Amino acid sequence: AQSVSQHNHHVILSEAASLELGCNYSYGGTVNLFWYVQYPGQHLQLLLKYFSGDPLVKGIKGFEAEFIKSKFSFNLRKPSVQWSDTAEYFCAVEGNTGFQKLVFGTGTRLLVSP
Amino acid sequence: SAVISQKPSRDICQRGTSLTIQCQVDSQVTMMFWYRQQPGQSLTLIATANQGSEATYESGFVIDKFPISRPNLTFSTLTVSNMSPEDSSIYLCSVVGAGGSYNEQFFGPGTRLTVL
Repeated sequence: AQSVSQHNHHVILSEAASLELGCNYSYGGTVNLFWYVQYPGQHLQLLLKYFSGDPLVKGIKGFEAEFIKSKFSFNLRKPSVQWSDTAEYFCAVEGNTGFQKLVFGTGTRLLVSP
Repeated sequence: SAVISQKPSRDICQRGTSLTIQCQVDSQVTMMFWYRQQPGQSLTLIATANQGSEATYESGFVIDKFPISRPNLTFSTLTVSNMSPEDSSIYLCSVVGAGGSYNEQFFGPGTRLTVL
């Protein structure tokens, strides 16, 4: 069965600090990978996704993620965080079966202090 | 994108009762899903709501406990039956195929359920 691990449950950073959130998955086949974000009081929304091609993908609001197949990882990065990045971040994997069933990690709560 | 609404947004229910959660989308979509997020845990897929036929349930979830309807391409309901405190969770619906986008799931705001 597929599983997703997010290493950090809570992260606290100061503004302008760099961010890297870890995500590892286990799945034997080809996968599609996602990062979702949930800002306080808002819906889950897609931050970025990887299906194929360039393993470095760029998303909204200056976020990027790198797919490293050999490490089964899809870490999220941002060079300089802002207070408005305070949110919960979820990594998710979809087996490439076409059925669009997402398996989520447990999420990482990011708090950015001004 | 899609605008998804859920009703109710939250509820507090007594043990042994049932609650039906509605999910309404502002456009026709291909697929609709129901997820559960238990306190401190990740989102877990309950089932795929199939239009005009029985839902497809994931391992650990059964129709008698979580009956689902999807009468058309914009609406679905999830019922949490014979509730116990362990059913206290956030329940979310998601959709695929909104606005012609087939590789992104859009999520509703969720229904926060507390069972006493």
